[in-house]
Amino acid sequence: DTGVSQDPRHKITKRGQNVTFRCDPISEHNRLYWYRQTLGQGPEFLTYFQNEAQLEKSRLLSDRFSAERPKGSFSTLEIQRTEQGDSAMYLCASSLGTGVSAFFGQGTRLTVV
Amino acid sequence: GENVEQHPSTLSVQEGDSAVIKCTYSDSASNYFPWYKQELGKRPQLIIDIRSNVGEKKDQRIAVTLNKTAKHFSLHITETQPEDSAVYFCAASNADQFYFGTGTSLTVIP
Repeated sequence: DTGVSQDPRHKITKRGQNVTFRCDPISEHNRLYWYRQTLGQGPEFLTYFQNEAQLEKSRLLSDRFSAERPKGSFSTLEIQRTEQGDSAMYLCASSLGTGVSAFFGQGTRLTVV
Repeated sequence: GENVEQHPSTLSVQEGDSAVIKCTYSDSASNYFPWYKQELGKRPQLIIDIRSNVGEKKDQRIAVTLNKTAKHFSLHITETQPEDSAVYFCAASNADQFYFGTGTSLTVIP
C-alpha cells in the first residue's frame, strides 16, 4: 500500500497517560498535515509540516500536544496527560506541495477512559 | 482565517435523483477547493477538486462549480446510487492548510 499509513489504528488509554501516534505519508509528498475529527464534524486542523519544518500550529492546540517530523518523512503526534476531551479520530494527510490534493490516512481513533 | 460553511447537514434523495451540496468560504486568497467522501469508519477520500481559475469541472456523475465572486462552490451528483451514501466534506485551501466544512450526510434511498 503506497498511501498514507497511520499507526496504531485504535488506542485506548487512561486519563493522564501520554500517547504517541505515527504517520507515514506518501513518499514523495513534502507536506504533512494533522487533523482531529469528532463524530459529526469535519476535520479540524491541528498542525502541518513542509518537509521537516512545522509551519503552523492551531491556536486550539494546547501545550499538551506536540508534533515532529524529524527527517521530513514520517511524523509523530504526541499528546501528554490525556483528557477525556482528547477522544477523537486523529487523521494525517499528505500532499505534494500547495494547491494540490491531500490524501488522508485511515486515522488513529483515540479513546481516553 | 478561512471559514467554510456547508449546507445542508443532511440530505436524503431517491435513487436516480440528483443531489446538490453547497459551500461558502470567506478568504478570497483560497484558490483550491477539493471535495471528500467519507464512508463510515473510513478515511476521507478525494472525489473531485477545482482550482480558482476554473468555473466548472465534471467527472462522470460528479461535477463541481465555483463562483469566485460570490465565494461559493457546489457539488452536484447526478443519477445517485445507494453507494453514494456517505458524508461529503468540502474544503478550501490557500497556500497553507485545508479548511473543512462540517459535512453533509447523504442518504440515497433505493
